[in-house]
Amino acid sequence: GAVVSQHPSRVICKSGTSVKIECRSLDFQATTMFWYRQFPKQSLMLMATSNEGSKATYEQGVEKDKFLINHASLTLSTLTVTSAHPEDSSFYICSAGGGAFQETQYFGPGTRLLVL
Amino acid sequence: GESVGLHLPTLSVQEGDNSIINCAYSNSASDYFIWYKQESGKGPQFIIDIRSNMDKRQGQRVTVLLNKTVKHLSLQIAATQPGDSAVYFCAENRRGSGNTGKLIFGQGTTLQVKP
Repeated sequence: GAVVSQHPSRVICKSGTSVKIECRSLDFQATTMFWYRQFPKQSLMLMATSNEGSKATYEQGVEKDKFLINHASLTLSTLTVTSAHPEDSSFYICSAGGGAFQETQYFGPGTRLLVL
Repeated sequence: GESVGLHLPTLSVQEGDNSIINCAYSNSASDYFIWYKQESGKGPQFIIDIRSNMDKRQGQRVTVLLNKTVKHLSLQIAATQPGDSAVYFCAENRRGSGNTGKLIFGQGTTLQVKP
């Protein structure tokens, strides 16, 4: 299977600051990456779909100016939570697909964000 | 609305027994399904997938069954072990404009393995 990494694994920040999360596909070229958030004991909620070299497509209700997504290369996508607030505290998970893995998505280990 | 859901939120089994986790989907046009395992504090891990032109697919200790007539998917785990304890999600792949479509996740079933 494919390996996807995320960095950092956990981050604590003050309210009002911005946080950047990186998602990398380590052994394949991911034409598409997805960003999810997950609250405790709940399922994954898709936030946005990111295609390399183009603008991300956001799901309804997700603020694109607050959650900035950049997919500059076939192996790297970043999610920046701008002006974070306590309600943004969550588990953020990316997945990568495409290339040799057409429909299957492989997930990163997730990033735990805590906004104080 | 369209959804992928699971029948039971929690399943408790004895170590060594077989486990069956069920999933219902509502979009008859869906053609690809994936089972993921998520351990606490980690990202989902791919277990097995199946396409709609198949009824059954087997992996190592796992089997996925697809019944398109009733739009039902199941994951069978043979000889369940303590390491199988996790939340299991079924996901439905709905093709978008490209090859990689969005995944629609069910609510998840927690599998608890009793020693």
